[in-house]
Amino acid sequence: QGALVQSGPQVTRPGASVKVSCKMSGFTIISTDIAWVRQAPGHGLEWMGWVTGFNGRTISAERFQDRLTMTIDKSTATAYMELMSLTSDDSAVYYCARDDYRSFDPWGQGTLVTVAS
Amino acid sequence: QSALTQPPSVSGSPGQSITISCSGSTGHFESVKLVSWYRQSSAKAPELIVYESTKRPSGVSSRLTGAKSGNTASLTISGLQPEDEAVYYCCSYTGSFWVFGGGTWLSVL
Repeated sequence: QGALVQSGPQVTRPGASVKVSCKMSGFTIISTDIAWVRQAPGHGLEWMGWVTGFNGRTISAERFQDRLTMTIDKSTATAYMELMSLTSDDSAVYYCARDDYRSFDPWGQGTLVTVAS
Repeated sequence: QSALTQPPSVSGSPGQSITISCSGSTGHFESVKLVSWYRQSSAKAPELIVYESTKRPSGVSSRLTGAKSGNTASLTISGLQPEDEAVYYCCSYTGSFWVFGGGTWLSVL
């Protein structure tokens, strides 16, 4: 089935950026696409974007397009999500999940990002 | 504001059945095959429970049934058990991006 293991919690300041990693195991990287989904405290799930292991192409939700970078390092089988120009509204749990065009499965355990001054 | 509408909460007693609806506006549910459902128990990552509107991944209980008619998808849970208590999210591909419903809290009384 494969698994995704994410990096640990982070605390950062407004205006800064955060980078979250998602280590893949049990997948063929070149045929694996990774989606990023976030969940603010007390809120629902929000799709942020997608990156393909085939050629690194990305698609981002419109609201994140100018400050979201998603990459895949094939050599380490790790996906990365970097979000810039953070505000307190970006405090959330960030999840990576394998995207097989039908669904998201499996999911990483989530990474809590706290933006505070 | 989610483009997929779910009831905020539903409830049922052990042994009963409940149905959670997920309604999209015209243009959503681009493909009848691409509606999925996720269960999120407290403080845990979401878990896939239905994909392509009606299919269950291996290991998911047959008490969970997905359906779709027009622009409305639904998830029925029969024989409610205490461990079914969770938040349930529907998700759809719009043709260019994915969108989640707002989530439905299922309370097993």
